[in-house]
Amino acid sequence: DTGVSQDPRHKITKRGQNVTFRCDPISEHNRLYWYRQTLGQGPEFLTYFQNEAQLEKSRLLSDRFSAERPKGSFSTLEIQRTEQGDSAMYLCASTRGVEQYFGPGTRLTVT
Amino acid sequence: GNSVTQMEGPVTLSEEAFLTINCTYTATGYPSLFWYVQYPGEGLQLLLKATKADDKGSNKGFEATYRKETTSFHLEKGSVQVSDSAVYFCALDSSGNTPLVFGKGTRLSVIA
Repeated sequence: DTGVSQDPRHKITKRGQNVTFRCDPISEHNRLYWYRQTLGQGPEFLTYFQNEAQLEKSRLLSDRFSAERPKGSFSTLEIQRTEQGDSAMYLCASTRGVEQYFGPGTRLTVT
Repeated sequence: GNSVTQMEGPVTLSEEAFLTINCTYTATGYPSLFWYVQYPGEGLQLLLKATKADDKGSNKGFEATYRKETTSFHLEKGSVQVSDSAVYFCALDSSGNTPLVFGKGTRLSVIA
C-alpha cells in the first residue's frame, strides 16, 4: 500500500508530557499538511511543508507545537507540555497537485 | 476569510432515498471545491471535486455542481445505501494547492 501512513494510531499521555507523531506521505508528493480534528468538527489546518520548507503555520499552532520535515520525506509533529485541550485527532495529508490524500490519523488523548 | 458552511446533521434516511447535503462557501477568487467522506473508524477519503464554475464532480453515484452564482456545492445522490453511512465534509482550496478549509461535517445514517 502506498498511501499516507501515520504512527502511532493512538496515543494516551498525561498532561505535561511531550508527544511526537510521525507521518509518511505518498512518495513523490512534495507538499505535506498537518490538520487537527476535534469531535464534531471538521479538520483545521495546522501547518504545511513544500519539500523540507515549512511554508505556513496556523494561529492554532502555539509555541508548544513544532513540526519538521527534515529531508522532504516524512514529517514529525511534536507537542510539548501537553494539555487536555490538545486531545484530538491529528491528520496528515500529502499532495503533488490539487487533491490532498489523508492518512488514518493519530488520536491523542491527554489525561 | 474563507469559510464553508454545511447543513447540520445528523441526517437519517431510508435505503434508496434521495440525498442532498447542502454546502455553501465564502472565498475570494476562484476556489476548488471538494467533498470528503469519513467512514466509521477510517480516514478522510476524497469523494469528488470541482475546480471551476459549472463543473460537476461525480463518483460512486454522488454528484455536486460548482455554482458560483450561489456560492454552493451541494452533494446529491439519487438512491442511498446502508454502506453510504458516514460523515461527509465539504471543503475548499482557495487558490490551488493550499490548506483546505473544511465545513463541520454532516453525519449520514442510512437505515435498511
